[in-house]
Amino acid sequence: RKEVEQDPGPFNVPEGATVAFNCTYSNSASQSFFWYRQDCRKEPKLLMSVYSSGNEDGRFTAQLNRASQYISLLIRDSKLSDSATYLCVVMDSSYKLIFGSGTRLLVRP
Amino acid sequence: NAGVTQTPKFQVLKTGQSMTLQCAQDMNHEYMSWYRQDPGMGLRLIHYSVGAGITDQGEVPNGYNVSRSTTEDFPLRLLSAAPSQTSVYFCASRPGRGPGTGWGNQPQHFGDGTRLSIL
Repeated sequence: RKEVEQDPGPFNVPEGATVAFNCTYSNSASQSFFWYRQDCRKEPKLLMSVYSSGNEDGRFTAQLNRASQYISLLIRDSKLSDSATYLCVVMDSSYKLIFGSGTRLLVRP
Repeated sequence: NAGVTQTPKFQVLKTGQSMTLQCAQDMNHEYMSWYRQDPGMGLRLIHYSVGAGITDQGEVPNGYNVSRSTTEDFPLRLLSAAPSQTSVYFCASRPGRGPGTGWGNQPQHFGDGTRLSIL
């Protein structure tokens, strides 16, 4: 079993739609959580950190459920520019970042 | 501010050749790491360093060596290239090195990547 699992997608949605991605992690000792965005053939870039109380950054909302070892990302009012691969990232107890294989999002006009 | 600089951006090698992928950062970051990214596999950690003179193995270290003689540089060496090492390689850095430094949520900065093909 992978340490961090994501649905690879692709999620194909129209502009303006709301879309949600989920991620599960296997190590209950994981201590920090992030969503990264990766555009095609580019380097990953931090989208947002994920806090236990949930957090929002504009159209993006991240949630963490430690009991279920589950992380989510909600994107509201999708834009064409949101098309990318979204990587769920977990920091393990030795401070190494473990990456999921990513969920691909395609936003169509 | 250049951030994390990787060279070369592209490289083609023959099986058995050796080469060094260069990585340099100008942000005085203590923590540096190398990843490889393969289709459907996500990024996998090869080696990492928590400071100058200190390196450690990640998830997939076999066939690779690293050194960290300065804070700025963290080269990755392929000892004898194999087709299985065809991949995209990313170097990354972040400010802190361990507990108590308040770095847990600091963003990790990535280089642009090196696309390596082994024939």
